Amino acid sequence: DGGITQSPKYLFRKEGQNVTLSCEQNLNHDAMYWYRQDPGQGLRLIYYSQIVNDFQKGDIAEGYSVSREKKESFPLTVTSAQKNPTAFYLCASSIKQGDYGYTFGSGTRLTVV
Amino acid sequence: GENVEQHPSTLSVQEGDSAVIKCTYSDSASNYFPWYKQELGKRPQLIIDIRSNVGEKKDQRIAVTLNKTAKHFSLHITETQPEDSAVYFCAASYASGGSYIPTFGRGTSLIVHP
Repeated sequence: DGGITQSPKYLFRKEGQNVTLSCEQNLNHDAMYWYRQDPGQGLRLIYYSQIVNDFQKGDIAEGYSVSREKKESFPLTVTSAQKNPTAFYLCASSIKQGDYGYTFGSGTRLTVV
Repeated sequence: GENVEQHPSTLSVQEGDSAVIKCTYSDSASNYFPWYKQELGKRPQLIIDIRSNVGEKKDQRIAVTLNKTAKHFSLHITETQPEDSAVYFCAASYASGGSYIPTFGRGTSLIVHP
């Protein structure tokens, strides 16, 4: 389904818990990204990675962590330090970072209960 | 860093009319400008893009124009159809310390009335 898979589709988190969102791609893309989408806010960059074992903070990295141990995988952990985690999270990948279009996953909707 | 402003936030048109969405960017180093369409409940999908060495690009009913001097780019949709109803995002990709960072606009909700 588009070569990039996010799971789960819906996730519920209790206060104080860490949760991990999965993102896997089979497109052989070097670059991967995590965005947060809130109504009226557009897409805000959380973290991005150009190569394995390297990643950089985006505009709203506080309260989030990532890893890039494999080229195909870029999981996002939403920690208890993230004060307002309820949102729609989108993972994306591109051939390389720069002037290349992005392929998005279908998203994970996280709700704090 | 880069700042992308997108207008309008909502656009309502009658079927068959044209629709124009405008974006401005702040960093003159930005050199890649994609547009994404996100239908309700679905993932954003790339519909057209333009690079800084080109002033205009067309793909059937969709066109994008770029004015590097004024730092703005626009999406033009002609002969709109109800299936064009979606949220459209513009983006600008700029370089920071050797890496290219994509920044998105806040989106335009296009509603096409039959």
